[in-house]
Amino acid sequence: DAGVIQSPRHEVTEMGQEVTLRCKPISGHNSLFWYRQTMMRGLELLIYFNNNVPIDDSGMPEDRFSAKMPNASFSTLKIQPSEPRDSAVYFCASSGDPSRGNQPQHFGDGTRLSIL
Amino acid sequence: AQTVTQSQPEMSVQEAETVTLSCTYDTSENNYYLFWYKQPPSRQMILVIRQEAYKQQNATENRFSVNFQKAAKSFSLKISDSQLGDTAMYFCAFMKPHNAGNNRKLIWGLGTSLAVNP
Repeated sequence: DAGVIQSPRHEVTEMGQEVTLRCKPISGHNSLFWYRQTMMRGLELLIYFNNNVPIDDSGMPEDRFSAKMPNASFSTLKIQPSEPRDSAVYFCASSGDPSRGNQPQHFGDGTRLSIL
Repeated sequence: AQTVTQSQPEMSVQEAETVTLSCTYDTSENNYYLFWYKQPPSRQMILVIRQEAYKQQNATENRFSVNFQKAAKSFSLKISDSQLGDTAMYFCAFMKPHNAGNNRKLIWGLGTSLAVNP
C-alpha cells in the first residue's frame, strides 16, 4: 500500500515567493494533518481536516498560510508571501476513522522548505 | 487540557543493551490512546507502538515494549537489544477517544534524542 505522499521533497525559494506544498493521503483515510517542525518549536500542528472539512486551524501562524482539501485524495498548504522564518520541515499525515478503533497517524516523508 | 511530558531530552545506550524512555501525560479522560513515534536522521516519522488505555496488557512490538501505568499516567518505552538503527528522536503522543471533541489531534511530547553507541 502506498503511504502518504508529499511533494516536493525539497523546496528552496526566495523571500516573497508563493510556496505550495502538496499531499496525497492514504486511500481510505478521512483525516489529514499538516505539521511544521523546527528545532526551536518542535512539531506543531498547523491544521487538520476531517472528511475534507477543516476542523481545527488554530495552529496556522498567520494569514500568509492557507490550506485546502478539495477532495479526499489531495491537499495543499500554501504560503504567500513566504518569509525566511517559514523555513522548516512540513509534514502531512493521515489517519482512518477513529470510530473503528485506534487509528494512528501515518506521516509522509516531509518537505524541507528553505526560504532565502 | 492534555499535556505530554518527556523528561529526558537526550539519552544514550550501548549497542545490545536495554534502554527505557519515559513519558508522562495529564488528562481527565478515562479512555484514550497513546503512541510512540521515532524520527531517525532520515526525518521520517515512524509509528513504533500504540496502546489503548482500556487495555491492561502492555503493548509489544518485537524489541519494543511499553510499561503503561494508567493510575500514574505513565507510558514508558523499553527498547531491548538496542541496535544502531534505533538511533533517533522518539516522541510520545496522546489522543482522546473517538467520541470526544476535536478527537483527531495528537498531543505531542518534545521528544527524547536517543543515541545507540557501538
